[in-house]
Amino acid sequence: AQSVSQHNHHVILSEAASLELGCNYSYGGTVNLFWYVQYPGQHLQLLLKYFSGDPLVKGIKGFEAEFIKSKFSFNLRKPSVQWSDTAEYFCAVNAGYGNKLVFGAGTILRVKS
Amino acid sequence: EAQVTQNPRYLITVTGKKLTVTCSQNMNHEYMSWYRQDPGLGLRQIYYSMNVEVTDKGDVPEGYKVSRKEKRNFPLILESPSPNQTSLYFCASSGRVGNQPQHFGDGTRLSIL
Repeated sequence: AQSVSQHNHHVILSEAASLELGCNYSYGGTVNLFWYVQYPGQHLQLLLKYFSGDPLVKGIKGFEAEFIKSKFSFNLRKPSVQWSDTAEYFCAVNAGYGNKLVFGAGTILRVKS
Repeated sequence: EAQVTQNPRYLITVTGKKLTVTCSQNMNHEYMSWYRQDPGLGLRQIYYSMNVEVTDKGDVPEGYKVSRKEKRNFPLILESPSPNQTSLYFCASSGRVGNQPQHFGDGTRLSIL
């Protein structure tokens, strides 16, 4: 069965620090990869997605992610975080039938101002 | 405006009292899905639907039912709710193809006493 692992459940950073959130998945075939963000009290919003092509994808709000096929990874990065980036971040993978998404457990990011 | 609308947003009820959470989307999407979100577990899929009258179990279907009589609506039914179904529920929709991101509703927080 597919699974998605997010390495850290809680991350605390100061403003302007760099961010990298790890995501690994277990599926050997073609995958579609997503990062979603959930701000406190809100629904999930798409940050970025990878389907094919350039493995470095850029999303909204200065986020980017790199797909490394050999490592089954899709890590999320941001060079300089802001207080407003405080949220929970979910990595998700679609592989196989239909449009089923398998989510990681989430990483709660808190940015101190 | 493209939307996935869930109702109610909050509900406190008692064990055994049947309830329905409605979900409606205005994007003519074929695919709709229900997830529950629990701390440390991320989002887990309950049921999904590839189109009208086509539904299937996700990863945690026990205790839930769904129906898809119309394309825009995908209600979640708890016939006999129990306390372990206390959770935050999200409905999502997307086009049929697997590389299309899902649009999420605002969530329904259910408390079963």
